Amino acid sequence: EVQLVESGGGLVQPGGSLRLSCAAFGFTFSNYAMTWVRQAPGRGLEWVSSISRTGVRTYFADSVKGRSSISRDSSKNTVYLQLNSLRADDTALYYCAREWQQLTYWGQGALVTVSS
Amino acid sequence: SYELTQPPSVSVSPGQTATITCSGDQLGEKYVCWYQQKPGHSPVLVIFQNNRRPSEIPERFSGSNSGSTATLTISGTQAMDEADYYCQAWDSSTVVFGGGTKVTVL
Repeated sequence: EVQLVESGGGLVQPGGSLRLSCAAFGFTFSNYAMTWVRQAPGRGLEWVSSISRTGVRTYFADSVKGRSSISRDSSKNTVYLQLNSLRADDTALYYCAREWQQLTYWGQGALVTVSS
Repeated sequence: SYELTQPPSVSVSPGQTATITCSGDQLGEKYVCWYQQKPGHSPVLVIFQNNRRPSEIPERFSGSNSGSTATLTISGTQAMDEADYYCQAWDSSTVVFGGGTKVTVL
């Protein structure tokens, strides 16, 4: 059974940083691109970032470009999202999803709250 | 940047057909996916590559994509289909979502 388990969310002050993790189970992790999507409270889905199967190619939404990074560790079957210079409008539930052109499986999400 | 437009809401009576549209520039030239999201739950893929269904999704869900509009159709809508639905396309290596449509089964 495919499972994606996010962790690392929490309350962070404006200007702070956070690293989200997504542990993958039930499939060959190195065969798939991975994607992060966020959803602000009461709002729609917003793509954040994607990383290719090998980790060589990474892509970011304009809203986080320049203050975030994405990486993956195949030895741990885990993908990471580093968020820096956090702002109030980064407050959202951050989902990890498998693949890129279509998001076939989703985790339960990690809540990030940016507030002083 | 590329944009996808969905109606904010659609209402349907039980047993009837719900039609949700998603429009974007030359959308018919791209693959479109659809996701269902119920309150408090993660999104679920219901249609991919315009009209393909994951094996666990009921046959009453179907999709099409032509010109500038993609459509998700729910035939014989059931109360359990009440949810938010999002279209998604892939453009220049970025993932683009529509704003979402709330389907209410009256």
